[in-house]
Amino acid sequence: IVLTQSPGTLSLSPGERVTLSCRASQSVTSSLLAWYQQKPGQAPRLLIYGASSRATGIPDRFSGSGSGTDFTLTISRLEPEDFAVYYCEQYGNSPRSFGQGTKLEIK
Amino acid sequence: QVQLQQSGPGLVEPSQTLSLTCAISGDTVSSYNAAWNWIRQSPSRGLEWLGRTYYRSQWHNDYAASMRSRITINPDTSKNQFSLQLNSVTPEDTAMYYCAREIAILRGVLNPFDYWGQGTLVTVSS
Repeated sequence: IVLTQSPGTLSLSPGERVTLSCRASQSVTSSLLAWYQQKPGQAPRLLIYGASSRATGIPDRFSGSGSGTDFTLTISRLEPEDFAVYYCEQYGNSPRSFGQGTKLEIK
Repeated sequence: QVQLQQSGPGLVEPSQTLSLTCAISGDTVSSYNAAWNWIRQSPSRGLEWLGRTYYRSQWHNDYAASMRSRITINPDTSKNQFSLQLNSVTPEDTAMYYCAREIAILRGVLNPFDYWGQGTLVTVSS
């Protein structure tokens, strides 16, 4: 499954609300889709799994939704530490696959 | 708290074997609630899953189709770690390599990666 994330880059200000998109080339089985955050020089960090469940310790300003081929990650109010690259990953179909990422940058 | 500590050389010559190890603390490589994965990341290929090992009454391995002919992932229960060997490397194998735990939230399906190693930048060059 090919995952296409949009947009490639977003320039926003702290405090804004943002919605990131991840579209799959075919339906993701059981909505087994995750979102990861990656900061420079760090490994990815799990934010959301099962399309909408927050991982342990993830603030509730992060939320995920979607099913089938269309998924979104919403950050309700951007904090300075949220500026990073975000990846979606589908693990419902083998082989698992990642999107190319959306970069959130400070405006 | 689970921690994954990677080790291995950062430079490998073309046609040689890339070898990395991931030492686990806070969990066990033979856990029924986890699988142990290798993933790599490069500017040209993005994040790419390579393979995994896991124990469910016996050891299992799954590998990406594109890697199957030259990859081996092995557990080492005596040291509570697992390793990656990638044979016949080329410059296209230059990437940041990560080990990661796949937590078994649901049985019988794949699961997300909840802990990652710190990454090892491997350059394939003579």
